Amino acid sequence: QKEVEQNSGPLSVPEGAIASLNCTYSDRGSQSFFWYRQYSGKSPELIMFIYSNGDKEDGRFTAQLNKASQYVSLLIRDSQPSDSATYLCAAEYNFNKFYFGSGTKLNVKP
Amino acid sequence: AAGVIQSPRHLIKEKRETATLKCYPIPRHDTVYWYQQGPGQDPQFLISFYEKMQSDKGSIPDRFSAQQFSDYHSELNMSSLELGDSALYFCASSPAGKDEQFFGPGTRLTVL
Repeated sequence: QKEVEQNSGPLSVPEGAIASLNCTYSDRGSQSFFWYRQYSGKSPELIMFIYSNGDKEDGRFTAQLNKASQYVSLLIRDSQPSDSATYLCAAEYNFNKFYFGSGTKLNVKP
Repeated sequence: AAGVIQSPRHLIKEKRETATLKCYPIPRHDTVYWYQQGPGQDPQFLISFYEKMQSDKGSIPDRFSAQQFSDYHSELNMSSLELGDSALYFCASSPAGKDEQFFGPGTRLTVL
């Protein structure tokens, strides 16, 4: 079992819809969680980070963390075709040690 | 804004050769991470450095070594290269006191 699990997708949503991406992690000691967007052949780009239970909003993006369920999610409102990419969930396991999920491929259809 | 710099961007080596990848973190970032990403795979954590000291190790082979220098740049040394080492190698850096990582453009290593 991977330390961070994601549904590989692809997840297809129409333009303007809400995309919901989910992630679970195995180590209850993890404190910090991150969402990265990666276009094919490019480097991961930080979208959101969350440390506390609850929701955190930044523009069209909302990260949700539920430590009791060991669950992290990312909502993308008003999805745009330019949001089409692979979304990677990452968790910090020890000081300066991170694990990534295998990523969910999002396809936003015009 | 300054970003993480990696060099070279592309590298082609033969089996059993050695390679050195370089990473220059964003100014005032004190932590550097190295990742290996194979085709269609997620980034695999290799090793991290905080204030020039090794901070943590992941799935880094014994054939690989790394260090962080006094100017905070880091080098990943890879010896006895194998075909399976062909991948994208990313370096990321974090600012002091924070966990958010900012990734460099990567070095694409091809081992023939």
